[in-house]
Amino acid sequence: GENVEQHPSTLSVQEGDSAVIKCTYSDSASNYFPWYKQELGKRPQLIIDIRSNVGEKKDQRIAVTLNKTAKHFSLHITETQPEDSAVYFCAGPFEGGGNKLTFGTGTQLKVEL
Amino acid sequence: NAGVTQTPKFQVLKTGQSMTLQCAQDMNHNSMYWYRQDPGMGLRLIYYSASEGTTDKGEVPNGYNVSRLNKREFSLRLESAAPSQTSVYFCASSGRLAGGYNEQFFGPGTRLTVL
Repeated sequence: GENVEQHPSTLSVQEGDSAVIKCTYSDSASNYFPWYKQELGKRPQLIIDIRSNVGEKKDQRIAVTLNKTAKHFSLHITETQPEDSAVYFCAGPFEGGGNKLTFGTGTQLKVEL
Repeated sequence: NAGVTQTPKFQVLKTGQSMTLQCAQDMNHNSMYWYRQDPGMGLRLIYYSASEGTTDKGEVPNGYNVSRLNKREFSLRLESAAPSQTSVYFCASSGRLAGGYNEQFFGPGTRLTVL
């Protein structure tokens, strides 16, 4: 089955700087990689996803890149703002398909003023 | 549209007690999921239901049972609660396209403490 590893576990940046979170996966057949954001005490919410037929996807200040050869994908947040402070989870397909996901262990991002 | 709802929001149990966590969605989604979230371990899939009448084990199914009562509702039951089941439980749902993956929508969570 798929195994997703996420780094770093915590990340602190100054407001306006960029933040990068990286995930690696094991199953070369995996083809869908979403990123979820979870604010303190709230539910996880999808912020961006990428499928294996593209290498990069952007949505305003957020981008995700995928390197299928190296089996890793990354979340990039530019011009960070205090409201970006949250826990971010990457995910990949769970074994057996069916829209099931296996999640990374999360990155606590803190944007400092 | 309420999205995905869960009850209760909080629950405290004693070891050995049983309880059922309720989940409902009003988005006409086929697939529903139960996850548990523990510090430093992310979200782990407990059980999954692709459609009404079908369920499948996830990564950590031991100690749990589920029922897909109808298309809207998916319940999680702890028959004999243990302290190791202290966690935050999230229900999620997704519409499904053949051969594709879709966004999972999460409920607000249930914080369960087992003493």
